[in-house]
Amino acid sequence: DTAVSQTPKYLVTQMGNDKSIKCEQNLGHDTMYWYKQDSKKFLKIMFSYNNKELIINETVPNRFSPKSPDKAHLNLHINSLELGDSAVYFCASSQEVGGGYEQYFGPGTRLTVT
Amino acid sequence: GQNIDQPTEMTATEGAIVQINCTYQTSGFNGLFWYQQHAGEAPTFLSYNVLDGLEEKGRFSSFLSRSKGYSYLLLKELQMKDSASYLCAVRPMTTDSWGKLQFGAGTQVVVTP
Repeated sequence: DTAVSQTPKYLVTQMGNDKSIKCEQNLGHDTMYWYKQDSKKFLKIMFSYNNKELIINETVPNRFSPKSPDKAHLNLHINSLELGDSAVYFCASSQEVGGGYEQYFGPGTRLTVT
Repeated sequence: GQNIDQPTEMTATEGAIVQINCTYQTSGFNGLFWYQQHAGEAPTFLSYNVLDGLEEKGRFSSFLSRSKGYSYLLLKELQMKDSASYLCAVRPMTTDSWGKLQFGAGTQVVVTP
């Protein structure tokens, strides 16, 4: 019973391509997130949606576009991929925004741009 | 701005105790979390502190002092499976924080036999 799932797990692609990563949670949570973890292991928030509405939009290039078709799904589309986009991307969800609600993370998508 | 500091690496032997410190300077404060991350895996929640004091959960305890901008995670009776990175994360209190967590770089704990 996977709580937060992401596809694909691995993604290898060339510079300039466009790719998407999908995320689904079956926990009934209202809030979903996208994080980027670089080679130095820093985990940085990119976006957050609450009930399909964008609530956090960090300073991220506009080549990155999140889409939430419903509150159980949050996808990430990346245009014109660059070498610096290589990282592990984690999706997460929490019951609500704020408070002590823990975030549940998906298994991650390792993106390698060549 | 946000600044979260924790040691890069700590080594301890099986059965011992290790204390991982985290200091933070954030725009306001609205809670501190500790997560565990094994290599190649997702972070998993360990603890949450929003008031001063110690929270105990089995072998793991977490302490918070808001006035000092300081927290620690205490791991007791270390087991080999505790070898992992431990991430300190702070939720700042700003009008646009909306549940945003600021993570430290993580502390790699190596447990030796």
